[in-house]
Amino acid sequence: GENVEQHPSTLSVQEGDSAVIKCTYSDSASNYFPWYKQELGKRPQLIIDIRSNVGEKKDQRIAVTLNKTAKHFSLHITETQPEDSAVYFCAVTPEGNNRLAFGKGNQVVVIP
Amino acid sequence: DSGVTQTPKHLITATGQRVTLRCSPRSGDLSVYWYQQSLDQGLQFLIQYYNGEERAKGNILERFSAQQFPDLHSELNLSSLELGDSALYFCASSPPDPRDGYTFGSGTRLTVV
Repeated sequence: GENVEQHPSTLSVQEGDSAVIKCTYSDSASNYFPWYKQELGKRPQLIIDIRSNVGEKKDQRIAVTLNKTAKHFSLHITETQPEDSAVYFCAVTPEGNNRLAFGKGNQVVVIP
Repeated sequence: DSGVTQTPKHLITATGQRVTLRCSPRSGDLSVYWYQQSLDQGLQFLIQYYNGEERAKGNILERFSAQQFPDLHSELNLSSLELGDSALYFCASSPPDPRDGYTFGSGTRLTVV
């Protein structure tokens, strides 16, 4: 099956600083790369996604960059705020597959 | 509201008992996925159904079973419950291509005492 790894497992940042978390995957046929945010006790929610024909996508303070050659993609959060504190899950769906394979999650803590 | 409805929201039961969790997918979605999330753990994929048929199986115990009905709602049955089964159980749904929208419900928190 698809191997999806996230690093670092926990990231603490000062409010206002940037946070970057990285996701690596094993299947070179993967073509869709979403990031989900899960606040404590709540459901995971899609915050941004990227497809394999695009290298970068931005939505206000968040962005995702994709390096298909190296088989990794990253979530960038700028000007972090306390409400950015959450667990972030990356996922991939290889071509021909019909579900998402999730990483184990990154805990992001924004220190006020 | 994500459009994926899970009931009940909370469930407390004793060891050895059996429970049924219910999921109604978003309108138009044919796929339903079940996940287990224990404390401080990731999303453990259990099973997927597509239009009434089992499509993929993950780390689902033999004590657990699921089905998807003709109206596309799904039920996850957990039997001979153990303390370690206490977790958040999420259901997600998607259209045939999950890239077109893979949405989670709010989950059922199961506590086994």
